[in-house]
Amino acid sequence: AQKITQTQPGMFVQEKEAVTLDCTYDTSDQSYGLFWYKQPSSGEMIFLIYQGSYDEQNATEGRYSLNFQKARKSANLVISASQLGDSAMYFCAMREGRLNSGGYQKVTFGTGTKLQVIP
Amino acid sequence: DSGVTQTPKHLITATGQRVTLRCSPRSGDLSVYWYQQSLDQGLQFLIHYYNGEERAKGNILERFSAQQFPDLHSELNLSSLELGDSALYFCASSVGLKTGTGTSGNTIYFGEGSWLTVV
Repeated sequence: AQKITQTQPGMFVQEKEAVTLDCTYDTSDQSYGLFWYKQPSSGEMIFLIYQGSYDEQNATEGRYSLNFQKARKSANLVISASQLGDSAMYFCAMREGRLNSGGYQKVTFGTGTKLQVIP
Repeated sequence: DSGVTQTPKHLITATGQRVTLRCSPRSGDLSVYWYQQSLDQGLQFLIHYYNGEERAKGNILERFSAQQFPDLHSELNLSSLELGDSALYFCASSVGLKTGTGTSGNTIYFGEGSWLTVV
């Protein structure tokens, strides 16, 4: 079973509009973290936002916010006021596991959503 | 600039050869992750090191090996290279102490990647 599912291979949004990129996850761990990354055509992977499983408030970073619905196991990224520079691939990722007591951590990525912002 | 340094940025080599990719994590980060990104396989987790110890293995081939040194830099060795090994190889790092709450200590930052072309 897929650990991270991004069901939207591609999306279009009008400049200055808001857009939501979907992400659902699957884990049996109680302690986990969810990430969103942006990958422009140049290839680098840019960290956008992080949500811990115990964080009660939804994470926000500037124009990015993470709509975390724990019971539904979803962690959607909302980009407000889209800009042309937002055109890129967006990846949702999850970190499971503990480092305490010799534990491990594994980070799994979804297949990505290609966002194109239209002027 | 994420603070994670990867060298070389681009590498072209022949089938059957061996290459070493190097990663310097962000200052203070103890965890190092290696990922392979290819067009047909997406972003694949290879291996995770924490403070010099291997902690988790993903889809890493036996022809590939990695290590993290006492100064926390890491190397990914790829041997007996095949055409299918052509990909973008990412190193990422984090403080890696906690999972589940807050951004501090949990954010995973990626380097710019090493583009490997096997001809």
